[in-house]
Amino acid sequence: AQSVTQLGSHVSVSEGALVLLRCNYSSSVPPYLFWYVQYPNQGLQLLLKYTTGATLVKGINGFEAEFKKSETSFHLTKPSAHMSDAAEYFCAVSTGGGKLIFGQGTELSVKP
Amino acid sequence: DTEVTQTPKHLVMGMTNKKSLKCEQHMGHRAMYWYKQKAKKPPELMFVYSYEKLSINESVPSRFSPECPNSSLLNLHLHALQPEDSALYLCASSPPSGETQYFGPGTRLLVL
Repeated sequence: AQSVTQLGSHVSVSEGALVLLRCNYSSSVPPYLFWYVQYPNQGLQLLLKYTTGATLVKGINGFEAEFKKSETSFHLTKPSAHMSDAAEYFCAVSTGGGKLIFGQGTELSVKP
Repeated sequence: DTEVTQTPKHLVMGMTNKKSLKCEQHMGHRAMYWYKQKAKKPPELMFVYSYEKLSINESVPSRFSPECPNSSLLNLHLHALQPEDSALYLCASSPPSGETQYFGPGTRLLVL
């Protein structure tokens, strides 16, 4: 069975600091991996995805993530946090069949 | 364009009311999904339609009734809901390859 673990339900960084949100997955087959962002009172917006090919994936708003099969990880990073990055972030895995398995989410706070 | 639209944005209903949520996409996607999301939690899958046929029902109570009139539209009919059904209801769609889901802005439902 597939599962996703996000380390840290809440992460706080200063504006301009590195953002690192951690995601580990469990999958018996090659996974498709996703990061979604959810701003208050909004739906989920796709930040980036890994399906096949290059393991370093670039997304919107300056975010990127690296698929590390040996570590079963797909951590999300951004070199310099902006106040507008404050939101809930969800890592998810899909192995087809129409189901996305979400992590519990990480709330990112950005301090001025 | 990766836009999924949902109406209404907000809905308040009594436990004896009947109401419907609507979702629409014009991206040619052939799979559509309903999710329920409680505050500070990841979305929970409710239903999946593939090529306008119900393919997954995650043991959702019968007071929720999905309908897919055509490949662009998805409805969720609500009847005799309970206060614990209050949540954000998200619609999503994915292309025929199926691996990436695009979400709408959601309908925030309050059951009194």
